[in-house]
Amino acid sequence: QQQVKQSPQSLIVQKGGISIINCAYENTAFDYFPWYQQFPGKGPALLIAIRPDVSEKKEGRFTISFNKSAKQFSLHIMDSQPGDSATYFCAASRGNTDKLIFGTGTRLQVFP
Amino acid sequence: EPEVTQTPSHQVTQMGQEVILRCVPISNHLYFYWYRQILGQKVEFLVSFYNNEISEKSEIFDDQFSVERPDGSNFTLKIRSTKLEDSAMYFCASREMGIANQPQHFGDGTRLSIL
Repeated sequence: QQQVKQSPQSLIVQKGGISIINCAYENTAFDYFPWYQQFPGKGPALLIAIRPDVSEKKEGRFTISFNKSAKQFSLHIMDSQPGDSATYFCAASRGNTDKLIFGTGTRLQVFP
Repeated sequence: EPEVTQTPSHQVTQMGQEVILRCVPISNHLYFYWYRQILGQKVEFLVSFYNNEISEKSEIFDDQFSVERPDGSNFTLKIRSTKLEDSAMYFCASREMGIANQPQHFGDGTRLSIL
């Protein structure tokens, strides 16, 4: 019940295209859903996060869509750029414990 | 922008030896975490630390592991007797005090290689 499932494992997108990464969770006690971006040799960096009281959050080219009833959330990267090539992790946490439960990661490659 | 710093960036240790991984969290942060990432796998929670004590620990964090905040700036993870399966990237994270679910800021990690 603590798992967060993430797909796809890898994604290849052409420059200017839309990248979509999906995550699903089981524990309804999760109330915070961040996405982290990780470049090789670096630690995860917070990209964008959402709480279950909203269905969508947008920051620049990055949008999280959240479906509470389906227990799913997704990251959309609009106008994908080669500089977006990285590994993306979704995560979830419960308010009180605060530890992050990470998905398995998606390696995104954006080709010019 | 303030950041979490970790040293060393790469540590090579013989199996059975003790290893200490060091972290300097962001200065006004009061919650500290260690995570690990085995090569090609997901990031896994090890332990959280607040007010000079462990808040929560995972099943991975057994008696061979310990954490300490020896002074006002450092946060350390000690593995007493390393095993081959301890080889991984170890990430320190911190967040500021306040409501839960403040963003956790991660360091760039220490790559631990056990021979």
